[in-house]
Order: sequence, then structure tokens, then C-alpha cells
Amino acid sequence: DAGVIQSPRHEVTEMGQEVTLRCKPISGHDYLFWYRQTMMRGLELLIYFNNNVPIDDSGMPEDRFSAKMPNASFSTLKIQPSEPRDSAVYFCASSLINSYNEQFFGPGTRLTVL
Amino acid sequence: GENVEQHPSTLSVQEGDSAVIKCTYSDSASNYFPWYKQELGKRPQLIIDIRSNVGEKKDQRIAVTLNKTAKHFSLHITETQPEDSAVYFCAASSGGNQFYFGTGTSLTVIP
Repeated sequence: DAGVIQSPRHEVTEMGQEVTLRCKPISGHDYLFWYRQTMMRGLELLIYFNNNVPIDDSGMPEDRFSAKMPNASFSTLKIQPSEPRDSAVYFCASSLINSYNEQFFGPGTRLTVL
Repeated sequence: GENVEQHPSTLSVQEGDSAVIKCTYSDSASNYFPWYKQELGKRPQLIIDIRSNVGEKKDQRIAVTLNKTAKHFSLHITETQPEDSAVYFCAASSGGNQFYFGTGTSLTVIP
């Protein structure tokens, strides 16, 4: 398996533009997580899905952020409109349905909003 | 919800010395404690984990200890090597697959 796949790896955009980040979890994994990493706040959980259903989106900073998982092999995180403070590395991770299972992280998307 | 605190935020050690990173958690229901290593520019990867029914776990040069009563757990790296330089994250989970991560410790091993 190729592991968790994210695209794009780098994104530079201007304030106000829409940004869409994509994630393909490991085949067979039931859980998918979106994290944001910054120097100031570390790794923050934004939202996670179980079997394509959003379970907890309390970490989504505001209405400008939305996430979808239309099927078991694809998820998107959208920011509209983007702001400079959204600049961060966004990680997607997936895991099997089990309390003690490792979360496998994707390579991340480095987002820069100018 | 769970609150995980991690200390120190930065740590420098001489090659060959030991490094210790400590974390505390708040939710007594937490029962799984993984540790992730993130090398510069790369993704976090699991290096060791411990469940609440175990007090200590060791894997070669790394070990993790857990004190459920005090709600703290620690990562120990012995005989440190330059390739151990990275950011280390602790996390706690109460079994719902959701991890609560600490803020990370940047470890530098000086050759």
C-alpha cells in the first residue's frame, strides 16, 4: 500500500481564494482525521470521520473550513475564503477501527496564504 | 475533553546521553498513549505506544513509562544518536480513536 496520500504537497494562494486539500486514506481504514500543524499550536485535530461520517468537527476553527468524505477512499478539506492565519501544514491520517490502532499520517500539505 | 501537556518544549543532549520527555493528561478514562516522532519536513510516525494495563514498555533504545495514578507518562531514549534529533509528540486516547496530542518536544542530539 502506498500509505496515506495527500495533494497538493504545497499550495500558495492569495487571501480570499478558495483552497481545497485532498486526502486518500489507506485502503480498508475506517477512520480519517484532518490535523493542522503550526509552531504556535502544535498538532490540532480539526475533524475526523468514521466510515465516511463526520464524528467530531469541534476542532474546525470557523465556518470558513469545511470537510467532506464522499466515499471511503477520498476526503477533502476546503477553506473559503482563505486568510493568512490559515498558513500551516495540514495532515491527513487514517486508522483501523480499534481503540489501540496507530494513526498513519500522510506527507502533509504546506499551505501558504499571502 | 482531554488535555495533554508535554515538557520540555526543547531539549538538547550530547550524543550518547539519555533524553527524557514527560507528558501529563487530565482524563482518567484515557487508556492508550502513543508517541510519535516527526523528523524535519516529514510526517509524524509512531515509534512506541503503551496501554493502561502496562506500566512500562521498551523497544531497544526507547522506553515509555506510565503512572496512571499520577496521570503522567514519559518517553526515555538512551544512548542518543544524531538521528534521534526530531520533534516528539505524546498523545492520549480514551478508546474512541481520537488522539489528543501534546505540543511537542524538539530534541537535538549534539554530536
